[in-house]
Amino acid sequence: AQSVAQPEDQVNVAEGNPLTVKCTYSVSGNPYLFWYVQYPNRGLQFLLKYITGDNLVKGSYGFEAEFNKSQTSFHLKKPSALVSDSALYFCAVRAKGIDDKIIFGKGTRLHILP
Amino acid sequence: NAGVMQNPRHLVRRRGQEARLRCSPMKGHSHVYWYRQLPEEGLKFMVYLQKENIIDESGMPKERFSAEFPKEGPSILRIQQVVRGDSAAYFCASALGTTGNTIYFGEGSWLTVV
Repeated sequence: AQSVAQPEDQVNVAEGNPLTVKCTYSVSGNPYLFWYVQYPNRGLQFLLKYITGDNLVKGSYGFEAEFNKSQTSFHLKKPSALVSDSALYFCAVRAKGIDDKIIFGKGTRLHILP
Repeated sequence: NAGVMQNPRHLVRRRGQEARLRCSPMKGHSHVYWYRQLPEEGLKFMVYLQKENIIDESGMPKERFSAEFPKEGPSILRIQQVVRGDSAAYFCASALGTTGNTIYFGEGSWLTVV
């Protein structure tokens, strides 16, 4: 069965510093990986996805993620954090199969300190 | 192109009443997913539907919960005889197709059972 792990409940980063939000996955076959962001009392907004090709994926708001097949990871990164990046971030995985649902990690709360 | 539309945004029900949550997918999307989010928790998959078919309902409680996505009209998540533990945010998402396609979320329906 497919699964996603976000090992950190919360990440604190000073404004202007680089940030990383970690994600590892387990799936049979080729993974399709996604990152979403959720602001308070809102739905999830799509940030970026990896389907195939270049391991470094660039997305919205200056975020990027690197797919690492050997480590089964898909960490979210940003070179310089903004206070407005403070939110809840979800990693998700999807694999082709009969049960073609997307499974989400439990989320990581990102706090950017001014 | 309107996004995924969910209504009502907020719903209050007394214990034992029925709750009906509606979701209109993005134009052209025939795949609908329902997720539940409890306070300070991640997203839990409930059900995956295509037009007139339930593809995967492995996340749905066996009793009181049902979902449909008719040929015409929105998808409906129905909760009968609500209990306090049903209080949560319910998110609908839609996709154009399977596997690598991005799923897009609505703003959610917040159910409060009193």
